[in-house]
Amino acid sequence: DTEVTQTPKHLVMGMTNKKSLKCEQHMGHRAMYWYKQKAKKPPELMFVYSYEKLSINESVPSRFSPECPNSSLLNLHLHALQPEDSALYLCASSQDHRGLLFWPQHFGDGTRLSIL
Amino acid sequence: QQQVKQSPQSLIVQKGGISIINCAYENTAFDYFPWYQQFPGKGPALLIAIRPDVSEKKEGRFTISFNKSAKQFSLHIMDSQPGDSATYFCAARGVSGGYQKVTFGIGTKLQVIP
Repeated sequence: DTEVTQTPKHLVMGMTNKKSLKCEQHMGHRAMYWYKQKAKKPPELMFVYSYEKLSINESVPSRFSPECPNSSLLNLHLHALQPEDSALYLCASSQDHRGLLFWPQHFGDGTRLSIL
Repeated sequence: QQQVKQSPQSLIVQKGGISIINCAYENTAFDYFPWYQQFPGKGPALLIAIRPDVSEKKEGRFTISFNKSAKQFSLHIMDSQPGDSATYFCAARGVSGGYQKVTFGIGTKLQVIP
């Protein structure tokens, strides 16, 4: 079982809906990530939170809004999405995000999002 | 711009055979090279990783070979099993502004047939 839990596993929403994806980890990790993965493609980094602060935004459209309420939780708020936003959204965490030591990322199993 | 080139995109291997996946990179600032394994419906999982000052790393049936001068690295899966059927991503880690970022290859879908 993955140590990073994502809910819901599947989500279908219309382009005018507002929904949120949730991610939770209890490994004491201080870095958390959102990735987007299209079919047969590698994960693409969207956001990185380090110590509950947004440290990297990979030029993601504002219709995606991340939030890190505490060190264990990461949310991704969705509003006015487009059909091309349909993808698998992966959350990951690592012990830290800084420095020269490699902190392996632990991925959740993702939320499969479909935009109608 | 694909900074990590991975090949082949798909691979079929007989059970017991050796699976080989190759990756190449351009950015000499990359300093850590992990491989991820992803099963359908699951997130990627770290399989094995290597630093560029090491030419080979072995963990069980999985071996990474690293050629720093050629800027190439490869994953070898010995005695391949049907349970190894998955998509494999090579990746490279760079540090910019004090933060690390991982760049993934395109992925290789491996099918091990009995």
